[in-house]
Amino acid sequence: NAGVTQTPKFRVLKTGQSMTLLCAQDMNHEYMYWYRQDPGMGLRLIHYSVGEGTTAKGEVPDGYNVSRLKKQNFLLGLESAAPSQTSVYFCASSYGRTLAYGYTFGSGTRLTVV
Amino acid sequence: LAKTTQPISMDSYEGQEVNITCSHNNIATNDYITWYQQFPSQGPRFIIQGYKTKVTNEVASLFIPADRKSSTLSLPRVSLSDTAVYYCLVGGNSGGGADGLTFGKGTHLIIQP
Repeated sequence: NAGVTQTPKFRVLKTGQSMTLLCAQDMNHEYMYWYRQDPGMGLRLIHYSVGEGTTAKGEVPDGYNVSRLKKQNFLLGLESAAPSQTSVYFCASSYGRTLAYGYTFGSGTRLTVV
Repeated sequence: LAKTTQPISMDSYEGQEVNITCSHNNIATNDYITWYQQFPSQGPRFIIQGYKTKVTNEVASLFIPADRKSSTLSLPRVSLSDTAVYYCLVGGNSGGGADGLTFGKGTHLIIQP
């Protein structure tokens, strides 16, 4: 019953370094999402994908890139990390795009940029 | 998604029933009402969804009045482990508009012994 798995769980980066966060789901969901959560800010959508090979920008896409080469994986990349990207990142997936379908979230990646 | 308003925080005690109300005056005809629960250091978890009247599952009940401009999440006999942030979301199932769920700040529920 893996659901949505995120790796790594924790990471510390220096300003300017790059990294990739991996999200994997085993539910055959078409839709996948990346969110960031900052204290007192709720969750904000970074990028999303409506199917293999597709990606789209969300509310706060600047500084991030994504790829969906395989249906089960959704990668979030930071090309040049900045302290403002210190946050907890959550991946989610769903069978359908809209609120009628339940979203399944991963347990998060806590990223600190120093 | 329709704008929602819910209390920032609530306190209660073990064994009590807790009701969290969400206002959504601009709810559209095809909008559903969905509640998520988030524990510290975890992602949000779907707990209940409804369209009208009352919905009940093993975790909670959701009460929706006839005008659907508000809804109430009811947690029976809460325990310390129910301490979490609860998010109310309202949106349609037609597939249009902005993609991805928009989460507000939610209601931080604190259960005390």
